[in-house]
Amino acid sequence: SQQGEEDPQALSIQEGENATMNCSYKTSINNLQWYRQNSGRGLVHLILIRSNEREKHSGRLRVTLDTSKKSSSLLITASRAADTASYFCATGGSYIPTFGRGTSLIVHP
Amino acid sequence: NAGVTQTPKFQVLKTGQSMTLQCAQDMNHNSMYWYRQDPGMGLRLIYYSASEGTTDKGEVPNGYNVSRLNKREFSLRLESAAPSQTSVYFCASTRTWEMNTEAFFGQGTRLTVV
Repeated sequence: SQQGEEDPQALSIQEGENATMNCSYKTSINNLQWYRQNSGRGLVHLILIRSNEREKHSGRLRVTLDTSKKSSSLLITASRAADTASYFCATGGSYIPTFGRGTSLIVHP
Repeated sequence: NAGVTQTPKFQVLKTGQSMTLQCAQDMNHNSMYWYRQDPGMGLRLIYYSASEGTTDKGEVPNGYNVSRLNKREFSLRLESAAPSQTSVYFCASTRTWEMNTEAFFGQGTRLTVV
């Protein structure tokens, strides 16, 4: 079974809009990470947030973590066509990196 | 700095054939992993190696074997390929076993079994 589950499964927006995707997980974690996958390529690490952090920023990315609800959100501000990709969350602390099914984001120019 | 390198990038096998997928990392990472990615299923862990000399089963190990040849290399073997093993395979590595740092992925091997 998947530890992390992303929601929505698919998201379609216009360039310049913000994109928000969510991740829910089941067990306690040490950290939560977000990855991006461009079509046909390997996953690329975006950002890591530790269990004692509530919010973290990296460029146009903002990640929040609510350990009481076992959920995280990834916000991409001012999206660009180049942000078109699948986004995955992964939970750390269970000793094995486990990934959700991902959110497919399409940003229309 | 190559990171994680997988070979081959593409492969077509006939049912029953065997093959080995190669993975090498040049980051001196301790832990390495093999995942398969199927449409709608996300990434599923096949096998992992917490450190040189150890390997363990993941979520979907049936039909596969692995070898941690040294600290750099972690290979995945299909002894008798089946159409259900048609998938994209990714190798990944992390500096530490506890996943407190980012995972680095290879570019993937797209395998088709006919």
